[in-house]
Formats: sequence, structure tokens, C-alpha cells
Amino acid sequence: DQQVKQNSPSLSVQEGRISILNCDYTNSMFDYFLWYKKYPAEGPTFLISISSIKDKNEDGRFTVFLNKSAKHLSLHIVPSQPGDSAVYFCAASAWVYGNKLVFGAGTILRVKS
Amino acid sequence: GAGVSQSPSNKVTEKGKDVELRCDPISGHTALYWYRQSLGQGLEFLIYFQGNSAPDKSGLPSDRFSAERTGGSVSTLTIQRTQQEDSAVYLCASSQPGQGYNEQFFGPGTRLTVL
Repeated sequence: DQQVKQNSPSLSVQEGRISILNCDYTNSMFDYFLWYKKYPAEGPTFLISISSIKDKNEDGRFTVFLNKSAKHLSLHIVPSQPGDSAVYFCAASAWVYGNKLVFGAGTILRVKS
Repeated sequence: GAGVSQSPSNKVTEKGKDVELRCDPISGHTALYWYRQSLGQGLEFLIYFQGNSAPDKSGLPSDRFSAERTGGSVSTLTIQRTQQEDSAVYLCASSQPGQGYNEQFFGPGTRLTVL
């Protein structure tokens, strides 16, 4: 039972354009959402997060949008750069479950120069 | 240390052997987590240590898996009688509650291959 789903296994974007990575979840108890970025042979690194009391959080080129009614969040990267090419994982947590993160399967982003 | 470290980086073993994977969390972090990533899958939670509390073992897939955290710092994940389906990248993460809600810092992982 996948509680966090990233339905696009891969995404290819031209440098300078916007990258939009999507994530859906099923558990309404989730109250905090995170995006992690992973390069090959490295551990995931934290990118940006959003609390369920917000619908948008922005950090430089990265913006996360949360639509609670649709149980959907998205990560926007603009402008996309070749160094953004990596695997992006969406993760969710709920205080009632402690600090465990539930991850999606990841989306491979390739930014073409 | 500067970040979470894990050893070994790669481990190849034969089916039926026991393996131990080590994690050194960031100094001062009281929370430590183990996850694994199987091929083409997301990260799967295994076990969580927080301070002196009893660990949350709810993600361990079978009783062949166990983990310890000695002195509130280093952790060892042990897999007994390894099976081919145990092949995965095992990732350790640590966090300091209050430093950012659920921001977990990950190590580079140990790639386990069971032949």
C-alpha cells in the first residue's frame, strides 16, 4: 500500500525552463511534507519542506505547493539548471507516527543544456 | 563529524551469511533512522532510535533484521542469514529535534549485494 506516490518515473526539461515534479498521498494524517534530492552514490539531501498549515513555501529557485483537498503536492524548479539533474523524492510524515518519513519512489529529473 | 558516515560503502555476501552495517550519526543528533532502498523503489523505513527511548522497530521486514545503538551514538544494523531479496542500499539518517521539523540528514549508504 503506497501512501506516497510519484507517478512520473522520469522527467526531461530544457535548461532555463520550469521543472514540475508531482507527488500524491493517501493518508490524511500526514502533516509535513519534504522533498529530497539524490545524486548517484550519495545519500538524499534535504531540499525544501512544507507544513500542512501552508499551501506554498518558496526557497530561491524552489517552490513547493500543497493542495490538501486533493492530497497533492508539487515541486517547481525555475529556472532549471543542468546541476539539478538528480532523483527527487517526495516524503511525508505525521506527528502521530513519530518522525518516520514515508517516501515516494522518486522521479529522475534530467535537465538538458 | 561533518556528516553522517556509513561503512562499508559496498558489501557483497553469500546467501545465508550474516552482515553488519555501521552508521555514525552527526555528533549531538539524538535521533537515528535506518531506511533501505531496493532497486526502483523509494526509501523504506526500517527502525528509529530517539535518545534513551525504546526504538521503533515497526519497519523491520523480518526477525532476521536487528539494530542497536550504543551509547546514544553509533548504530549497527545486523541482517542474519541474508537472502537475495535483502539486496538494497541501506541508508542511515540522523536528526536533532528542534533543528528543523523532521529534517533528517542522510549518510551515503551501504550497497548490499547478496549472491
